[in-house]
Amino acid sequence: GQQVMQIPQYQHVQEGEDFTTYCNSSTTLSNIQWYKQRPGGHPVFLIQLVKSGEVKKQKRLTFQFGEAKKNSSLHITATQTTDVGTYFCAGFRGGNEKLTFGTGTRLTIIP
Amino acid sequence: NAGVTQTPKFQVLKTGQSMTLQCAQDMNHEYMSWYRQDPGMGLRLIHYSVGAGITDQGEVPNGYNVSRSTTEDFPLRLLSAAPSQTSVYFCASSKTANYGYTFGSGTRLTVV
Repeated sequence: GQQVMQIPQYQHVQEGEDFTTYCNSSTTLSNIQWYKQRPGGHPVFLIQLVKSGEVKKQKRLTFQFGEAKKNSSLHITATQTTDVGTYFCAGFRGGNEKLTFGTGTRLTIIP
Repeated sequence: NAGVTQTPKFQVLKTGQSMTLQCAQDMNHEYMSWYRQDPGMGLRLIHYSVGAGITDQGEVPNGYNVSRSTTEDFPLRLLSAAPSQTSVYFCASSKTANYGYTFGSGTRLTVV
């Protein structure tokens, strides 16, 4: 079954509010990747985190990898309508070449 | 540089029919994968390949076959289509395991 879970499944926010999605794995991950999928589109790679406790920023997006390398989060500051879509985390378990995707968080923005 | 190209974009099959979903990439990527996406289930790995001549099963391989005779192409074959295989199929490629994946635009398959 799915070994990488994301919460929440859905999130509706007012434009300008912050948004956070959390990713939890049942096993330690060698790295974590984040993707964004616009409605009707395909997943697009955003970023990869490799080190325990790593934090990376892309403009209004902040990505964090947990100390135990089992969880991660994506935080968007001051959401905009262009942020609409589903955000997926994905990870490799050590020694495993399969990239396992999380269940995704669907973000909608209320203008 | 076209990236990852999937064909067809849409397909309707009758139960029991077979077909091949095509995937080609022009980035000289070693890793290629097939995922299916169903509502509420995220993306589930069907098969993957770490290089030409090497393939392996993902989470949901039953009913699908793959081969990787060249670096560029990674076709997915449905042997005998079933309604449970109605889904959106994505092909993806990556330089290696530690690089982000580039996805194709997907094939929307309906089995009736």
